[in-house]
Amino acid sequence: DAKTTQPNSMESNEEEPVHLPCNHSTISGTDYIHWYRQLPSQGPEYVIHGLTSNVNNRMASLAIAEDRKSSTLILHRATLRDAAVYYCILPPSGTSYGKLTFGQGTILTVHP
Amino acid sequence: SAVISQKPSRDICQRGTSLTIQCQVDSQVTMMFWYRQQPGQSLTLIATANQGSEATYESGFVIDKFPISRPNLTFSTLTVSNMSPEDSSIYLCSVRWGQLNTGELFFGEGSRLTVL
Repeated sequence: DAKTTQPNSMESNEEEPVHLPCNHSTISGTDYIHWYRQLPSQGPEYVIHGLTSNVNNRMASLAIAEDRKSSTLILHRATLRDAAVYYCILPPSGTSYGKLTFGQGTILTVHP
Repeated sequence: SAVISQKPSRDICQRGTSLTIQCQVDSQVTMMFWYRQQPGQSLTLIATANQGSEATYESGFVIDKFPISRPNLTFSTLTVSNMSPEDSSIYLCSVRWGQLNTGELFFGEGSRLTVL
């Protein structure tokens, strides 16, 4: 799998935007960029994914650099419930998809 | 989407015993996986549970220690055999839902095992 690099931790205040960066300089042309998060005492949950264009859904936005070597997960207004570990993952393609390799992720702390 | 139920949610076990964790999915799914999350660590894939055939194990995990069954497309079990304190972890079942390269993975709540 292509390797991703994320900061160990980030902090935010409630109701402020949060930009979580991810570097993936060895990404290939067919690698999708996926983000998952793990809330305390829960299994991971899917957040968003993208290939080349920026993507939006009800949870977050994903901004992908033009060269695709980095991406940023954007939480537009952080809430206390967004405190979690955020994982940026490039899943293997084809029949190996689903065999996600989780790095250490970014621990997001949200202050009231 | 897929809803995943795991049993037990937590257990305390004695060294040398074995425990079987069950994973039930509310829909038929092709790909099902078992992960382990040791205390304070990220998730590590143990194996892919294959329906009707032997599971595919990742490096560092063997069938004798983590036998897996997958009798149908909605159910799987993971057994942690001959447990030691180092096996104290959260074990998570997950399934892939959607298209091959873009589908989501859904995870169960996990089974937290403590080995004394």
